[in-house]
Amino acid sequence: EAGVAQSPRYKIIEKRQSVAFWCNPISGHATLYWYQQILGQGPKLLIQFQNNGVVDDSQLPKDRFSAERLKGVDSTLKIQPAKLEDSAVYLCASSRNSGTDNEQFFGPGTRLTVL
Amino acid sequence: QQQVKQSPQSLIVQKGGISIINCAYENTAFDYFPWYQQFPGKGPALLIAIRPDVSEKKEGRFTISFNKSAKQFSLHIMDSQPGDSATYFCAASMGNNFNKFYFGSGTKLNVKP
Repeated sequence: EAGVAQSPRYKIIEKRQSVAFWCNPISGHATLYWYQQILGQGPKLLIQFQNNGVVDDSQLPKDRFSAERLKGVDSTLKIQPAKLEDSAVYLCASSRNSGTDNEQFFGPGTRLTVL
Repeated sequence: QQQVKQSPQSLIVQKGGISIINCAYENTAFDYFPWYQQFPGKGPALLIAIRPDVSEKKEGRFTISFNKSAKQFSLHIMDSQPGDSATYFCAASMGNNFNKFYFGSGTKLNVKP
């Protein structure tokens, strides 16, 4: 079974620029998560999709961050404009979320550096 | 409000020793408690998980101890090896909330040869 794919793996941008990250979850996984992981901290949920609908975006800075999951498969996360404090690793994860199957699988992450 | 609190922040153990990482949670509705292992430059990977209907789960050298009344759970790594050096995260989720996960702040484990 192929894992969660993310691209790019690394991105360096200037503040006030925009950036987009892409995620392809494991086939058949209904739930997709985007997390922000600042160095030395645990993953912080930004947004959670169930199929192509948003079930939680309470911690997404909506003035600059946006995400979509068209057709309930791939997802993109965008930051516009970026700030210095957005420097972090952005992790995508997916889970089947069916019955007692809660296991969440993570992608390798995209390391964003904002200068 | 931090839903899951993890300690210690860092841990140094000699090869062959026992590594113990602790987590405490607030919400009694949580029904799934996984531990993740993360190596530098990689995403977290599920190590072992437990549900609140059992008090202990063992997989190889890794054991979760779960205390429902105290709302605490811990990861024990027996016979720790240098290859176990990584950051460990506990988490908690409730299946009836679309499987939203709450993560601890992480413990950086260094196993010295």
